[in-house]
Amino acid sequence: KQEVTQIPAALSVPEGENLVLNCSFTDSAIYNLQWFRQDPGKGLTSLLLIQSSQREQTSGRLNASLDKSSGRSTLYIAASQPGDSATYLCAVRGNYGQNFVFGPGTRLSVLP
Amino acid sequence: EAGVAQSPRYKIIEKRQSVAFWCNPISGHATLYWYQQILGQGPKLLIQFQNNGVVDDSQLPKDRFSAERLKGVDSTLKIQPAKLEDSAVYLCASSLRWGEASTEAFFGQGTRLTVV
Repeated sequence: KQEVTQIPAALSVPEGENLVLNCSFTDSAIYNLQWFRQDPGKGLTSLLLIQSSQREQTSGRLNASLDKSSGRSTLYIAASQPGDSATYLCAVRGNYGQNFVFGPGTRLSVLP
Repeated sequence: EAGVAQSPRYKIIEKRQSVAFWCNPISGHATLYWYQQILGQGPKLLIQFQNNGVVDDSQLPKDRFSAERLKGVDSTLKIQPAKLEDSAVYLCASSLRWGEASTEAFFGQGTRLTVV
């Protein structure tokens, strides 16, 4: 059974810092991995999708990497801004059409 | 393109009452998911549909929860009777058919249910 963990659970940084959020999964037989952002009281916004054959994806100040063999993904946020404050969730999908299994999320606060 | 639509946004009911949620996925998305997200936790799958067929409902509490996706488009999720522990946000998501393109999942705004 796939299990997904995220470290740290919460993070508070001053504006302008570069930061890394970590996601680990127990079963490396994944189809893809997706990073989401969730603002309080809102649904999930897709940030980046990495297919199992890819090593990384970039979108603006965000860069996500995937090391399938070690069961890890990282989300790198460059030059953080207060508007980046939210909960960041990673989700992995198995190889056989399974649903997405989510981690518990990392709650990020970027202080002005 | 229009996103995943859910209604209502908020619902407060008393325990033992029934409640229903509605989801309209992105046009052309064959796969539809219902997730339950308890405060402070990641979403947990309740049920996954491919068109109007159920792919996975292993974590759906079938004694009180039911879901349907007639005609393979809109879906409804029902709870009857509700318990206090059902208080959560219910998220609907959709993606392209398994095996097509990137199968990126898109989520609705969710329905926040409070059972008192």
